[in-house]
Amino acid sequence: GESVGLHLPTLSVQEGDNSIINCAYSNSASDYFIWYKQESGKGPQFIIDIRSNMDKRQGQRVTVLLNKTVKHLSLQIAATQPGDSAVYFCAELSYNTDKLIFGTGTRLQVFP
Amino acid sequence: NAGVMQNPRHLVRRRGQEARLRCSPMKGHSHVYWYRQLPEEGLKFMVYLQKENIIDESGMPKERFSAEFPKEGPSILRIQQVVRGDSAAYFCASSPRTFGTGELFFGEGSRLTVL
Repeated sequence: GESVGLHLPTLSVQEGDNSIINCAYSNSASDYFIWYKQESGKGPQFIIDIRSNMDKRQGQRVTVLLNKTVKHLSLQIAATQPGDSAVYFCAELSYNTDKLIFGTGTRLQVFP
Repeated sequence: NAGVMQNPRHLVRRRGQEARLRCSPMKGHSHVYWYRQLPEEGLKFMVYLQKENIIDESGMPKERFSAEFPKEGPSILRIQQVVRGDSAAYFCASSPRTFGTGELFFGEGSRLTVL
């Protein structure tokens, strides 16, 4: 659901390792999910999306997994690079409302 | 996304003044969304507009906040009599049609500081 004033959890990974960022969403009726990347001082940038009738989708170096049974979404980044350092948000949408709801976010720190 | 233009990028106001934030959607986009982001938090939905219509304003505070998206010109988010708690980054996003296909394109945000 909507973030409610929590400090961002942080994931620290070494350059070259794989990263897994998790998200629990709130609405079992959500139809569509998106992962966004937000760098400091910038707006959210689209990474990858997935529809509710799918359980996996792959992009370039990124994979999104959807588990509707437990309302869980994950973003996997292969061979993490320093440029991947940012805050990552999952977002969910119900076609009935046309309103994109963001999760709390996870800060990814990549160290050499 | 550079296609969605927001201005000003930074705005400083004293308590009680008015803040006006502008958003020009990407060319051809007729749907605009406004979000607010506090430091170290996610983006919170405020309002969804189409040209000349407010579709969903369920995230807007009941007082002092208003939004419009006129037939011509940018979308405006207006905050009257600002208070310190209004200090935040305000992001605008646009899409070409009713959501459900493709991503939402965000601007770089307007950062409001209330002294």
